[in-house]
Amino acid sequence: DTAVSQTPKYLVTQMGNDKSIKCEQNLGHDTMYWYKQDSKKFLKIMFSYNNKELIINETVPNRFSPKSPDKAHLNLHINSLELGDSAVYFCASSQQGATDNEQFFGPGTRLTVL
Amino acid sequence: QKEVEQDPGPLSVPEGAIVSLNCTYSNSAFQYFMWYRQYSRKGPELLMYTYSSGNKEDGRFTAQVDKSSKYISLFIRDSQPSDSATYLCAMSAWRNNQLNWGAGTKLNIKP
Repeated sequence: DTAVSQTPKYLVTQMGNDKSIKCEQNLGHDTMYWYKQDSKKFLKIMFSYNNKELIINETVPNRFSPKSPDKAHLNLHINSLELGDSAVYFCASSQQGATDNEQFFGPGTRLTVL
Repeated sequence: QKEVEQDPGPLSVPEGAIVSLNCTYSNSAFQYFMWYRQYSRKGPELLMYTYSSGNKEDGRFTAQVDKSSKYISLFIRDSQPSDSATYLCAMSAWRNNQLNWGAGTKLNIKP
């Protein structure tokens, strides 16, 4: 069983389009995250949701909007895509109170903006 | 200046060698330290977790934390080609706080 899943795996689109990436976790965790990983492999936190409340927003442009219909899902919607949005986007989840602070990552969505 | 510094490599070593990967940090409040491994085109996965200072060993892997020097290390003994991956360090001040990530070191073990 896949613990953290993302769809789609690959996304190629034109500048100016709007797109969404979906994430689901079946671990029963209460916190979910979105990360952006650029070509140099640097992981940058974008958002996290804990019990449906946004608790981190790292100065991400407001073209990016996270949506959490329930604690097992955290989707990412991106408006007016730009070339600089090309990256791999990872969803992750964790459980508050876990002793090892572990975050479980999905397989990533490779976004290419042309 | 980033709070967590990590040499991106790439680091290439022969099979069987001992590998040393390192991160330095500037925030003395960090007390939870992690190493994640990321294979190509996969998500990161937790490899080692250490709280505060000291060593932790798990098989061929040893994580070391020196809080006085603000320096953490990951040692891999008897390295295997299957260890070829990017290794990212991450750390936080509190258990469920935001993780602060290093840039990742790309490691290649040559058969």
